[in-house]
Formats: sequence, structure tokens, C-alpha cells
Amino acid sequence: AAGVIQSPRHLIKEKRETATLKCYPIPRHDTVYWYQQGPGQDPQFLISFYEKMQSDKGSIPDRFSAQQFSDYHSELNMSSLELGDSALYFCASSLGLAGVSGELFFGEGSRLTVL
Amino acid sequence: AQTVTQSQPEMSVQEAETVTLSCTYDTSESDYYLFWYKQPPSRQMILVIRQEAYKQQNATENRFSVNFQKAAKSFSLKISDSQLGDAAMYFCAYPTLDAGNMLTFGGGTRLMVKP
Repeated sequence: AAGVIQSPRHLIKEKRETATLKCYPIPRHDTVYWYQQGPGQDPQFLISFYEKMQSDKGSIPDRFSAQQFSDYHSELNMSSLELGDSALYFCASSLGLAGVSGELFFGEGSRLTVL
Repeated sequence: AQTVTQSQPEMSVQEAETVTLSCTYDTSESDYYLFWYKQPPSRQMILVIRQEAYKQQNATENRFSVNFQKAAKSFSLKISDSQLGDAAMYFCAYPTLDAGNMLTFGGGTRLMVKP
């Protein structure tokens, strides 16, 4: 069965550079969530989209932005990267909102390293 | 604000034995889902089991089962016949039922399985 696809899997950037992470949800899933997981930490919610509209916003820095496109894939854009942005970024998708459908599937994550 | 608490940062179990991971949560909602996710060293978040709060029957998936105590807001995970491949971080999670249905994670429990 198709899963959530994230790209790139690994990314190395310098401070103050820009990075873009992509997420392709499971086919028919219309909801995408982005999470950031620092070393030894639990995942922290960044932002979510439902039917191409932002549905909730968590601890996402102003330097970050995201959107969901017409094909339901989502991109997380990170600018002016800082050392503290080094983390594993997870994308998850669900059919409808997770609290209603009870289904939330995660991608394998994109590991960002900022030097 | 909803919170999820896992009071055991680390647990260990002998192979083939049974272990129980604890989770408590705080919510004022009456109908919701609860999830247990496994995060092995590969870092992908894998759904282990989910429970619908309106169902009194505890969810079971093969060797994994939950003890759901709604009044106590407790949602523990029992792993029977533990296997070496069960070694991972385990996160209890709860989706809020407000606009974004974001998943709030507990701090995680690292499970070690001894051969």
C-alpha cells in the first residue's frame, strides 16, 4: 500500500540558507500535518492543512511557511536557517481530520542538519 | 490545553515476557481517539494501535493491547511475548478535536528488550 512520501530524506544546509521539504500524502488523504522532532524529544506540531487550507498552527517559527497544493502535496519552506532547526521533520496524512477519522500515517521523515 | 503524560522514560523487558507502558491524558472531550506509535531506530513513526473513546472494549492488535480507563484518563499499552524487534521509542498520542485535530504526543518511553 502507498505510504506518505517525504523528500528529501536527508538535507544539509548552512546557517542562513533556505530549505524546502516536500510531503506527498497517501492517495485520497486530504489532510497533512507537519511535525518537528529534535534529538531526544517528542514530535512538536508545526502546522496542518485540510483541503488545501491551513487548519491549525503550532510552534512554527515565522521564518517557516508551508502550503498544501491542489494535488494535496505539501511543502514546508524554511528560511534563515539556524543551528536549532536541525531536526527530523515528519509529515503525516489522514483522510479528514485525524481526530474524526482516527487515522494518521507518518512519512519516514526528512532529517535536516544545519551547519 | 490537552496534555499527554508518559511517566516512564525507559522500560526494559526480557524477550518473550510482557511489559506495560503507561500513559495518562487530560481532556474535557467525551469522544476522541487515542493512539500508540512506535518509533524504531529507523525513526519512522509507526501506528501500533488506536482506541476509540466511545468503545468500552479495549483495542487489540496481535501482541499489542491497551487498557483504556476513560474515567481515569489512562491509556496503557501492553506488549505480550516481547520480541527484540519491539525495542523502540513508544509515544502515546491524542488528537485534539478543535480546528486542526493536531496530534499531541507524550514524552515517549524507550523500551529495551533483553535477549
